[in-house]
Amino acid sequence: EPEVTQTPSHQVTQMGQEVILRCVPISNHLYFYWYRQILGQKVEFLVSFYNNEISEKSEIFDDQFSVERPDGSNFTLKIRSTKLEDSAMYFCASKVTGGLYEQYFGPGTRLTVT
Amino acid sequence: DQQVKQNSPSLSVQEGRISILNCDYTNSMFDYFLWYKKYPAEGPTFLISISSIKDKNEDGRFTVFLNKSAKHLSLHIVPSQPGDSAVYFCAASDSGGSNYKLTFGKGTLLTVNP
Repeated sequence: EPEVTQTPSHQVTQMGQEVILRCVPISNHLYFYWYRQILGQKVEFLVSFYNNEISEKSEIFDDQFSVERPDGSNFTLKIRSTKLEDSAMYFCASKVTGGLYEQYFGPGTRLTVT
Repeated sequence: DQQVKQNSPSLSVQEGRISILNCDYTNSMFDYFLWYKKYPAEGPTFLISISSIKDKNEDGRFTVFLNKSAKHLSLHIVPSQPGDSAVYFCAASDSGGSNYKLTFGKGTLLTVNP
């Protein structure tokens, strides 16, 4: 069964460093998302991406964040200058086009900023 | 701003009995609702969904009920099995937006005791 994959599973970085989180969505999906979950809190929407552009972003997704689909398979989230409060699980998700709402999530990347 | 609320942080049931997980929402624009199950160190896994034009959707042991007037939905698991022990997230989407982003509740930890 096709699945969303994410790398790395765990990333430790120092405050102020840049990190890139990588995702490979399901191949025939056309909508892509990033969500995050800070420990003990709910899963929060960060950004949606469709047709090679951001379709919506949350208040969390400020100028330090960017997303890219550099080729036909990868979808990346970049944080330019990490802060302590960026420590969280980051989930990538994808969905097919059309009226189906179900999003399929990857296993997540645990980002720890020290 | 809790648009989706899961007021029970945890629920414990005996194997074979019914598990009922509840979810309330405040945003009347939400018209599609999903339940996800999440095991530790994994991403959320889609379980079952319901459109606002229905009041019930069933898939095997899982049934979701929607009461639009009360802005309430519930997930019933019958019979409950120990493997169902996980965190269950309620999520909602607004078809009026073009990006199908999901708004999650905080989750309910279900423990099914053998």
